[in-house]
Amino acid sequence: DAGVIQSPRHEVTEMGQEVTLRCKPISGHDYLFWYRQTMMRGLELLIYFNNNVPIDDSGMPEDRFSAKMPNASFSTLKIQPSEPRDSAVYFCASSPLGVDTQYFGPGTRLTVL
Amino acid sequence: AQSVTQPDIHITVSEGASLELRCNYSYGATPYLFWYVQSPGQGLQLLLKYFSGDTLVQGIKGFEAEFKRSQSSFNLRKPSVHWSDAAEYFCAVRNSGNTPLVFGKGTRLSVIA
Repeated sequence: DAGVIQSPRHEVTEMGQEVTLRCKPISGHDYLFWYRQTMMRGLELLIYFNNNVPIDDSGMPEDRFSAKMPNASFSTLKIQPSEPRDSAVYFCASSPLGVDTQYFGPGTRLTVL
Repeated sequence: AQSVTQPDIHITVSEGASLELRCNYSYGATPYLFWYVQSPGQGLQLLLKYFSGDTLVQGIKGFEAEFKRSQSSFNLRKPSVHWSDAAEYFCAVRNSGNTPLVFGKGTRLSVIA
């Protein structure tokens, strides 16, 4: 299995631009998680899905952030408009039902200038 | 609310020396505990996990961890460190089921010759 796939691996954009991060979970996994890693706050949950339905989005920082999972093999995290404080590494992870291990993708390093 | 504390931000050890990384958690019930490792520019790789049973768990790459309920700790150990172990180590906790992980801030391990 290819593991969790994230794209792009690196993104540099200017403040005010729209940014879309993509994630392909491991096939057959029912759960998908988006985490953000910053120096100040460490690794934090943004949102997670079960069977494509958002379960908890309390970690989404503000309305500029939105996440979707249109099908079992694809999820997006969108920031519009982006701000310099959104600069971070964004991780996607997935896990199958009844298995407690989350498998992480390589992350997307976002830099907002 | 669950929380995880990793008291050591940065540790330096000599190659071949033993290692112990500390982790303390706050959680009302029996926690599900994890240690992940993150190499520079990489995603998170699971080293080991504890759910129940034997309080000493073995993981990959020669790591082990011991769950001590009385101390609310889950410290990671390795008897002999290799230069390739230099990385960032994260302790995490969560509820049962496919719920999100709560991470500590991480401990950066440097290995010197």
